[in-house]
Amino acid sequence: DAGITQSPRHKVTETGTPVTLRCHQTENHRYMYWYRQDPGHGLRLIHYSYGVKDTDKGEVSDGYSVSRSKTEDFLLTLESATSSQTSVYFCAVGGAGDEQYFGPGTRLTVT
Amino acid sequence: GENVEQHPSTLSVQEGDSAVIKCTYSDSASNYFPWYKQELGKRPQLIIDIRSNVGEKKDQRIAVTLNKTAKHFSLHITETQPEDSAVYFCAASLSGGSYIPTFGRGTSLIVHP
Repeated sequence: DAGITQSPRHKVTETGTPVTLRCHQTENHRYMYWYRQDPGHGLRLIHYSYGVKDTDKGEVSDGYSVSRSKTEDFLLTLESATSSQTSVYFCAVGGAGDEQYFGPGTRLTVT
Repeated sequence: GENVEQHPSTLSVQEGDSAVIKCTYSDSASNYFPWYKQELGKRPQLIIDIRSNVGEKKDQRIAVTLNKTAKHFSLHITETQPEDSAVYFCAASLSGGSYIPTFGRGTSLIVHP
């Protein structure tokens, strides 16, 4: 599992509230990613990081922000949650050989 | 940017049959092509990958083939078993650098006992 954990694993929140999801890795990978997974859409990249304090946007970044103050932690914040952000969120890290290792996922429901 | 098309979206086979999933990509610079398997309620996991300097790679019952000229690659599963039932994702990326793969939309493989 490449030492990747996500917290929380499940969350229900109300529209308009801020939400922060955490990804933690123990193997010092440089690259970290946040994806959302929705039926029929596969895995869509939200944001990624290529080092501490170095982040960039993915294809579906609107309404999301990220921070990486330590190598091991990558945080995803929904600034003001909307029902369209109900999804399963996966964190991933970049392996040495180009492959990705995924965390267990966070199921977020926005009511 | 890169665009990856994956077909079929659903594939139903009988146990013991072979299954083939195909992906096409648009960026001829892409040179790394992984396949991930995602069981229900679980995380995607890498099952096999291929680089552009190789035409075929096998690992027991699974194999991947790559046609660079046509810009498509395929996952082949032989002697399918019920535990092969899952969603399979292909991806394409440029090796090294910022490691940003583009994923296909996934194929739901159902193996009937």
